[in-house]
Amino acid sequence: GESVGLHLPTLSVQEGDNSIINCAYSNSASDYFIWYKQESGKGPQFIIDIRSNMDKRQGQRVTVLLNKTVKHLSLQIAATQPGDSAVYFCAEVKGANSKLTFGKGITLSVRP
Amino acid sequence: DTGVSQNPRHKITKRGQNVTFRCDPISEHNRLYWYRQTLGQGPEFLTYFQNEAQLEKSRLLSDRFSAERPKGSFSTLEIQRTEQGDSAMYLCASSLRSGVVPYEQYFGPGTRLTVT
Repeated sequence: GESVGLHLPTLSVQEGDNSIINCAYSNSASDYFIWYKQESGKGPQFIIDIRSNMDKRQGQRVTVLLNKTVKHLSLQIAATQPGDSAVYFCAEVKGANSKLTFGKGITLSVRP
Repeated sequence: DTGVSQNPRHKITKRGQNVTFRCDPISEHNRLYWYRQTLGQGPEFLTYFQNEAQLEKSRLLSDRFSAERPKGSFSTLEIQRTEQGDSAMYLCASSLRSGVVPYEQYFGPGTRLTVT
């Protein structure tokens, strides 16, 4: 069946280090993949997206990599800051309705 | 604040009671989504509106659940005869179909439902 999932439930990094959050997906027909950040008590917030025909996309301090061969998606955060502490979700977009299919969350904890 | 708003933020109800949640999307957004999120999980799609038309419903949306968007603006989600398994965060999101990134959904803060 279709699924989007994450390899690890938690990730702890030192402030200033780079963070890498990984995600595996099984639906090859997805149109886009998106990373969302969710802080406590808030709804998910869009971080960055990548179209299914791309391999890499860069934003401000974030980079998303898509490896279609192994159906793997990753989010790289440069110079991780305390404000980056949150739960991160990968999600896929498919279909005209653009509904999202989310994986399980991974908690990023930034040590001062 | 011009983001998506949801009311109430928290709702505690007894099993068997009916509850209704409201979502006010970003004003120009014509697409509105409802999701349900349980602890440690990603949100799960429930239903989708384009303007006032409900175009898709998940199998998760049992007969006890009903959603409306009567004038294509705000939406309500009603759960009848609540069960303990309905306890979750209910999230609303909106997007603009003709936007630069039509699938970019803006989420509200959610309504946390606890059924006792």
